[in-house]
Amino acid sequence: DAKTTQPNSMESNEEEPVHLPCNHSTISGTDYIHWYRQLPSQGPEYVIHGLTSNVNNRMASLAIAEDRKSSTLILHRATLRDAAVYYCILRDHDDMRFGAGTRLTVKP
Amino acid sequence: DGGITQSPKYLFRKEGQNVTLSCEQNLNHDAMYWYRQDPGQGLRLIYYSQIVNDFQKGDIAEGYSVSREKKESFPLTVTSAQKNPTAFYLCASSRGTGTHEQYFGPGTRLTVT
Repeated sequence: DAKTTQPNSMESNEEEPVHLPCNHSTISGTDYIHWYRQLPSQGPEYVIHGLTSNVNNRMASLAIAEDRKSSTLILHRATLRDAAVYYCILRDHDDMRFGAGTRLTVKP
Repeated sequence: DGGITQSPKYLFRKEGQNVTLSCEQNLNHDAMYWYRQDPGQGLRLIYYSQIVNDFQKGDIAEGYSVSREKKESFPLTVTSAQKNPTAFYLCASSRGTGTHEQYFGPGTRLTVT
């Protein structure tokens, strides 16, 4: 299975943009790049996903490198409620494998 | 409201007992999943089901069993053969493969003593 590599932790200041990186050098042509986030003692929440083109939604933007070997989740203005563990996942068929993710701390 | 429900939120059992965790969805999703999460770790896939009466093992299926008799229900049984059953268990569903996001339930925290 193609795997992803993310930093263990990142910090951001409130109301500033946050760029969360993810490396996936062994990605296959049919893998979609998914991002989820998880608050303590809750189930993960879907954030965004894409295949080749950059994607935007109300929560975030996803920037995908031209060779698809890396991607970046962009939170345009971090709030305290964005503090969570963010998971970058490659998904092809029905199963989905989570890594350890990046723990984002947002400072007021 | 549509969504996924898991019950109970907290569950306590004695070692050697089987226990069944409930997962129900009213999203009309074909695929359902069970994950286990240990403290400070990511989620690990236990079982998943693409359609009624069919399911596949994930990475850590040993000591667990599932059934999928109805589209909306995917119960997980933690058997006495599971050596370290204490964990946070999460159920999810999705419409299908790669393009579709998964929706997660609130989780069940199982403690076995």
